[in-house]
Amino acid sequence: RKEVEQDPGPFNVPEGATVAFNCTYSNSASQSFFWYRQDCRKEPKLLMSVYSSGNEDGRFTAQLNRASQYISLLIRDSKLSDSATYLCVVTQGGKLIFGQGTELSVKP
Amino acid sequence: DTAVSQTPKYLVTQMGNDKSIKCEQNLGHDTMYWYKQDSKKFLKIMFSYNNKELIINETVPNRFSPKSPDKAHLNLHINSLELGDSAVYFCASSRVDSPFSYEQYFGPGTRLTVT
Repeated sequence: RKEVEQDPGPFNVPEGATVAFNCTYSNSASQSFFWYRQDCRKEPKLLMSVYSSGNEDGRFTAQLNRASQYISLLIRDSKLSDSATYLCVVTQGGKLIFGQGTELSVKP
Repeated sequence: DTAVSQTPKYLVTQMGNDKSIKCEQNLGHDTMYWYKQDSKKFLKIMFSYNNKELIINETVPNRFSPKSPDKAHLNLHINSLELGDSAVYFCASSRVDSPFSYEQYFGPGTRLTVT
C-alpha cells in the first residue's frame, strides 16, 4: 500500500466548477499535512497547509480527518489557471512524503 | 533573486558517464534536500542535509553522492549513470524551526536523460 494515495485523474472540469480532491495516508504517526501544486514541467510549490480544524484560503478549502487518515482539497469557482497537478503531502520522521498527484484540467 | 537554483536545467548523457548537478539557495535555510521525480510523477526524497550534515539518506544506490560545501549549497554527483537514472531531480530547502515546520522551496529541476 502506498504511503500517500491519490486519484491520479485527470479531472476535466469547466471554468466555474467546484472540484474536490481526496487523499489518504497510511501512517497514523504522520504529523503535518500539506497540498502542493505542480504546473507542467515545473517545480512543486506549497499551496496550503492542512489543519485539523480545516482551513480556507480564498477559493481553496482544505480539511483533515485524522481518525480516517483522510485529507481533502476543495476548489470553488475553478479558473483556467488552476490547471495543474495537486500533490497531497504528509510528514513522517522528518521527511515529506508525496502522493502521486491529481491532475486537474480546467476548460473554457 | 532566484530562491533555489539548479544547474544544469537539462542534462543528456550516455550510460556509464559521471555527472554532477549543482544546487544553491539564497533563502538562509539550514536544510536542503534532493528529490527524484520519475516518469510516473512520484516525487521521492533521496537525501537531506542540515547545516552541512547528512540527516536523511534513503535507499539510494551508492553511485549517488551528495556533497554540501556549505549550508547554501548541496550538489549531487552520480557515477556510472544507468538508464533508470533518467528522471527529474529537484533540489529543495527549508527552515526547520520545529519538528512541525516543513514548508519546502523547490528549485526548477534538472531533467536528466541517460541514453
